[in-house]
Amino acid sequence: DSGVTQTPKHLITATGQRVTLRCSPRSGDLSVYWYQQSLDQGLQFLIQYYNGEERAKGNILERFSAQQFPDLHSELNLSSLELGDSALYFCASSVGSIDTEAFFGQGTRLTVV
Amino acid sequence: QKEVEQDPGPLSVPEGAIVSLNCTYSNSAFQYFMWYRQYSRKGPELLMYTYSSGNKEDGRFTAQVDKSSKYISLFIRDSQPSDSATYLCAMSAFRSRNYGQNFVFGPGTRLSVLP
Repeated sequence: DSGVTQTPKHLITATGQRVTLRCSPRSGDLSVYWYQQSLDQGLQFLIQYYNGEERAKGNILERFSAQQFPDLHSELNLSSLELGDSALYFCASSVGSIDTEAFFGQGTRLTVV
Repeated sequence: QKEVEQDPGPLSVPEGAIVSLNCTYSNSAFQYFMWYRQYSRKGPELLMYTYSSGNKEDGRFTAQVDKSSKYISLFIRDSQPSDSATYLCAMSAFRSRNYGQNFVFGPGTRLSVLP
């Protein structure tokens, strides 16, 4: 168990809908990273928050947004969902903003039908 | 050309074999190199990380980085069935603390160690 908690584990929703994925980092970790893993694209970095502020941005679509709250948990919001958004979404956390060691949660499997 | 390339496998080896997993990359700014192991339906877990060129050993695992060739390797000695997983290489460039971290992952190599 990495100490990173993601909910829900599974999510099935229809095209056009909006969903929110939640992540609780390990105790003491200030950075949260979001990743998307699909069969054809591999593990893609989406965005990083550090202590409530956005720090690094990857290939995150405009339909997606994230935030980190004062208690350091983070949410990833996916809107206007398309079939191609079906993937595993992982959250990872680390202590600092540029740590090499990040701990991953178990992921949320999103299926868009 | 993808930023990080990795032989996708799948790779099947008998128990006890030495396994070599490799990644190549194109961005010369990468300075931190990591190997993650991902079991089916689980999140990736960090195995090893190295900074810049050189070797690092941890038990049965050895990571090598050759920055001049833009090539990294992970060797697994005395492979066990429990090593069966997908192995992901990951890399990042140095960033100041104000700009955060951006890990770039390879597509992964699926390894099966047969008893």
